[in-house]
Amino acid sequence: DAGVIQSPRHEVTEMGQEVTLRCKPISGHNSLFWYRQTMMRGLELLIYFNNNVPIDDSGMPEDRFSAKMPNASFSTLKIQPSEPRDSAVYFCASRESGNTIYFGEGSWLTVV
Amino acid sequence: QQQVKQSPQSLIVQKGGISIINCAYENTAFDYFPWYQQFPGKGPALLIAIRPDVSEKKEGRFTISFNKSAKQFSLHIMDSQPGDSATYFCAHPTQGGSEKLVFGKGMKLTVNP
Repeated sequence: DAGVIQSPRHEVTEMGQEVTLRCKPISGHNSLFWYRQTMMRGLELLIYFNNNVPIDDSGMPEDRFSAKMPNASFSTLKIQPSEPRDSAVYFCASRESGNTIYFGEGSWLTVV
Repeated sequence: QQQVKQSPQSLIVQKGGISIINCAYENTAFDYFPWYQQFPGKGPALLIAIRPDVSEKKEGRFTISFNKSAKQFSLHIMDSQPGDSATYFCAHPTQGGSEKLVFGKGMKLTVNP
């Protein structure tokens, strides 16, 4: 079975540019999570969706960040405008009905 | 907002040794305590989890133990192998249904041959 699929795997962009990260959750999973990982702050939950509906976005750092889930098989995390402090690994994860969260391999973002 | 605190931050052990990672939590309302393992360049993956209807759970060389009164749970890796070198995260739910999983900052384990 395919796991959580994220794209791009690596992105280098200039400050001020828009960044869009994409995620395809595992088929049949009804919860989707976006996490950010940095050395300083570890793994932070940014936002999560249940059945395509955003439930909790309290972890989204500021208005420059937005996330959408237009259908059960696709989600995006957008940063506009991007800043160097946004450099991190962004993980998408999904879950069916149990407790286990399945992570993708991450999108490595560098903002210069 | 750290609700899950791990220690130590890093650990170096020799092959065959025992690795012990501790985790302290705050929210006593929920009963699910997982450990995730992350290899370089990969996403975290569930390693082992416990519910406090038992105080200990063993899966191969990995044992998770739970101390409710101390609000702590620990991961023990017996006979540590170089392939166990990874970052280990404990996690804990912050609201109903384990929906919002908060992770510790991680512990980098290095097992020398």
